[in-house]
Amino acid sequence: EDQVTQSPEALRLQEGESSSLNCSYTVSGLRGLFWYRQDPGKGPEFLFTLYSAGEEKEKERLKATLTKKESFLHITAPKPEDSATYLCAVQRYGGSQGNLIFGKGTKLSVKP
Amino acid sequence: DTGVSQDPRHKITKRGQNVTFRCDPISEHNRLYWYRQTLGQGPEFLTYFQNEAQLEKSRLLSDRFSAERPKGSFSTLEIQRTEQGDSAMYLCASTLTAVEQFFGPGTRLTVL
Repeated sequence: EDQVTQSPEALRLQEGESSSLNCSYTVSGLRGLFWYRQDPGKGPEFLFTLYSAGEEKEKERLKATLTKKESFLHITAPKPEDSATYLCAVQRYGGSQGNLIFGKGTKLSVKP
Repeated sequence: DTGVSQDPRHKITKRGQNVTFRCDPISEHNRLYWYRQTLGQGPEFLTYFQNEAQLEKSRLLSDRFSAERPKGSFSTLEIQRTEQGDSAMYLCASTLTAVEQFFGPGTRLTVL
């Protein structure tokens, strides 16, 4: 069964304290792995798509990496405005019509 | 604003009542997805449209749920005889590439 597990569930950082969020996945034929940011009461905001092991994507203070079993979202020198829940999702080839399978998310709090 | 829009943003209803939500996808996006998200969980897939055709339904979509996408543009999701367990955020997403999905702000449903 396809599964996505994110850790930790919650992470508290001081402003400027770099860290990483983990997304472990089990999927039969990975088509893509996605990172989204979600603010309270809002819909997920697309951040990155990763397609194959070894791939990396960067956007401002965020960098996403992918291996055959997991993905990391590295946050460098975070600011309070980076506080949000970060969701990881996978999409697999065949069967379903492209729907995303999400993890439960990591709630990030960055204190000034 | 050219993003995905959803209406209403919030809906409070009494158990047993029917409710209908609307989603307007990004213009020219032919694929549209509905997801449901409960507190502390990631979004879960409900159903998928390609143009006006509903091509997949999740086992989560009971007989009380129905979705339409007339003319392949906006979509509606109706819940009949609402139950307290239906309380959740209902999210709509659209895509042109069948890969990156862009989400709307969601409709928060509370069933009393």
